[in-house]
Amino acid sequence: GQSLEQPSEVTAVEGAIVQINCTYQTSGFYGLSWYQQHDGGAPTFLSYNALDGLEETGRFSSFLSRSDSYGYLLLQELQMKDSASYFCAVRGGQGGKLIFGQGTELSVKP
Amino acid sequence: KAGVTQTPRYLIKTRGQQVTLSCSPISGHRSVSWYQQTPGQGLQFLFEYFSETQRNKGNFPGRFSGRQFSNSRSEMNVSTLELGDSALYLCASRHDRGLTNEQFFGPGTRLTVL
Repeated sequence: GQSLEQPSEVTAVEGAIVQINCTYQTSGFYGLSWYQQHDGGAPTFLSYNALDGLEETGRFSSFLSRSDSYGYLLLQELQMKDSASYFCAVRGGQGGKLIFGQGTELSVKP
Repeated sequence: KAGVTQTPRYLIKTRGQQVTLSCSPISGHRSVSWYQQTPGQGLQFLFEYFSETQRNKGNFPGRFSGRQFSNSRSEMNVSTLELGDSALYLCASRHDRGLTNEQFFGPGTRLTVL
């Protein structure tokens, strides 16, 4: 089957950098994605890594190491509006279904 | 382009009843997935439909079923509701040939079972 592990919560201060790690287990792998969900809102796509290395999109970067079954989301210059839940998700297994981790609740303090 | 829409947004049912939720994907998206979200359980995958066929299925009991129509709209049905079925049900669509596998989520249907 597929499973993902990520920390349940992280706290950081405004302007800081925070890294949210994700390890996964899957038979077959088509890519690791990250989604952001604010309270009461729908998850929105942040990034996708199919190959090893770092992908940068503005203040957010995502990294993947397929040999370690590991990835992370890096958020720089944290802002209060970044307070949200962050989910890693892996597409894999038979049929390539997208499975989500339990989510990491990020709290950004002033 | 209109986003993913879900109806109804809120629903209250009692144990033993059944419920049907509806999802309209983004125009041109043929893949529709359903997720159940509860506090502490994250997003649990229910099933994925593509071109009217169930392509993937999660680990939910047979009380949970779905279907997809020729216009890609999808419905999911939960029969014999239990208290534990109270959750936010999210639908997501994607373009099957998208480079990033990005899924676009609807606002969800909040189901409360009393």
